[in-house]
Order: sequence, then structure tokens, then C-alpha cells
Amino acid sequence: DSGVTQTPKHLITATGQRVTLRCSPRSGDLSVYWYQQSLDQGLQFLIQYYNGEERAKGNILERFSAQQFPDLHSELNLSSLELGDSALYFCASSGSSIDEQFFGPGTRLTVL
Amino acid sequence: DQQVKQNSPSLSVQEGRISILNCDYTNSMFDYFLWYKKYPAEGPTFLISISSIKDKNEDGRFTVFLNKSAKHLSLHIVPSQPGDSAVYFCAATGNQFYFGTGTSLTVIP
Repeated sequence: DSGVTQTPKHLITATGQRVTLRCSPRSGDLSVYWYQQSLDQGLQFLIQYYNGEERAKGNILERFSAQQFPDLHSELNLSSLELGDSALYFCASSGSSIDEQFFGPGTRLTVL
Repeated sequence: DQQVKQNSPSLSVQEGRISILNCDYTNSMFDYFLWYKKYPAEGPTFLISISSIKDKNEDGRFTVFLNKSAKHLSLHIVPSQPGDSAVYFCAATGNQFYFGTGTSLTVIP
């Protein structure tokens, strides 16, 4: 158990809809990262927050947005969903160092 | 554009032998490299890392080698055990994390 929790575990929705994925980092970790893993793809970095502020941005679509709240939990919002958005979405957290990230179990999103 | 590449999607090794997983990268500005291990239905877990100022880092059965001139790193597992069967991702950091597509290792008892 990494100490990072993600909800929900599975999510099935339809094209055009909007969903919110939630992540609670390990106790004391200030950084939260979001990743997308599509079929046969590696982990694609989406975005990083550090203590409530956006720190780095990767290949995140404009239809996607994220935020980190004062209690350090984070949400990833995916809107106008397309079939290609079906993937595993992982959240990870780390302390002040970027050398080791602790990953949550992931949310599997299926868009029908 | 895949800046971190793992060209072998799968690898099978006999128990007790050495497993060698390879990773290539394109950006010479990367300064830190990591290996993660992932079991099905779980998130990746950190395994071992190496700074760009080193060429080798060892932790028990796991050793990572970095060849900066070739932009290549490898993970050696000796001896391989059935519990090592998992997907291994290499990652590199610059201003963000870049992950490879993973290599599925199967250790045959």
C-alpha cells in the first residue's frame, strides 16, 4: 500500500460526458502528479501540482483540468469525453524531492 | 514524440539467471533516471534510480547502469526470481517526468 488513494476505482461513462477523478496523496506529500496510461502506451505525464500550485504541465488536453485543494487532495476533471480517453489514470505523490513518486492504484475510465 | 523508449515489450528469463532490461532516451538534458515496477491492477512502485553524474547504482539484486554517451540505461536483476515477474518502466526527469512504454518481464521457475 503506497498510501496514495484514488477514487473511483472504475468509471464507465458515455462520450460527451464529464467526470472527476479524485486523489489523496500520502500524508505529508506536497506534490501530486497525474498520469494517463492508454492501451500499450507508457505512462503519459499530464500535470503536477505542488502545495496547491501548478508546477509542471505535460501532454494534458485542453478538455482536461486539475486542481489541488488546501488539504492537498487533487481532482482531475475530464470533459467532453471521447472514446480515446479510455485509459488508466494514475495519481502519484511525492515530498519535496522528485526522485521518488508513490503511485495510487489508478482509476480505470471506460468511455462508451 | 517518445523521449524515453523501451524497445523490448517483453522478456522471459529462467529463475536464477540475469534479467537485463534496456531503455534509451533522446534528451541529453535529462538529469535523473528511475525504474518502476508494476504488477497488474496496482500502481507502479519505485525500484531504483540513478543520477546523471553516476554510471552505476546498486541495491541488492538490482543494478542500474547509465551510459550517457549512448543515452542508454539498463536494469540488471541478479538472480531473477519468479516474484520479479512484472512490467518495468524506465523514466527520466528534466522539467517533468517521461516514462517509457514498459517491458513485461516473466521469470520462469
